[in-house]
Amino acid sequence: QIQLVQSGPELKKPGESLKISCKASGYTFTDYAMQWVKQAPGKGLQYMGWINTQTGKPTYADDFKERFVFSLETSASTAYLQINNLKNEDTATYFCASPRRGRPFAYWGQGTLVTVSS
Amino acid sequence: DVVLTQTPPTLSATIGQSVSISCRSSQSLLHSNGNTYLNWLLQRPGQPPQLLIYLVSRLESGVPNRFSGSGSGTDFTLKISGVEAEDLGVYYCVQSTHAPWTFGGGTKLELK
Repeated sequence: QIQLVQSGPELKKPGESLKISCKASGYTFTDYAMQWVKQAPGKGLQYMGWINTQTGKPTYADDFKERFVFSLETSASTAYLQINNLKNEDTATYFCASPRRGRPFAYWGQGTLVTVSS
Repeated sequence: DVVLTQTPPTLSATIGQSVSISCRSSQSLLHSNGNTYLNWLLQRPGQPPQLLIYLVSRLESGVPNRFSGSGSGTDFTLKISGVEAEDLGVYYCVQSTHAPWTFGGGTKLELK
């Protein structure tokens, strides 16, 4: 069955960087884009953008055009979210999600909790 | 960016009660291809969101038919006909007509 499995929780200091992974299985990875969504503690969902898994071209929402990088390792069916120069406000759970035709968030990863604290 | 406004922010219901959630968009969600990309998600506590309804009214596979969606243009509604305990959580509308995609603020459904 289709699964998106994300890497484990992270505890980082301000100014550091991290890279979250999202490994897909149960379908051909390059057939569908990968979306990223942020959820701050106790808050709602915020769309970060998406990456074209065929071309590797990322598209970022305005709030995520700096310090955030989407990338791929297609041979491993894995998408990555890198966050550089971490700030306290990056503390959140980050989700990857895979769309299907007409269904933008058909499948979700379990989420990765990122805590940024000095 | 498109702003989605959900009401009410919190909804208290008893088991078996029917409830509705509204989602209003700052601009029409009718795409030039004729589709309206308005979707509903449910996030249960401690879980990732799950897709309930897409294209305004199409039920995702495996979702009980007590859930239904309706609306057009800028006004949309999610209805639950007979709330069950497993329905508790936060409901989000999300539009994928206009880039960037945007979420509503959420409606928390809790037991009265």
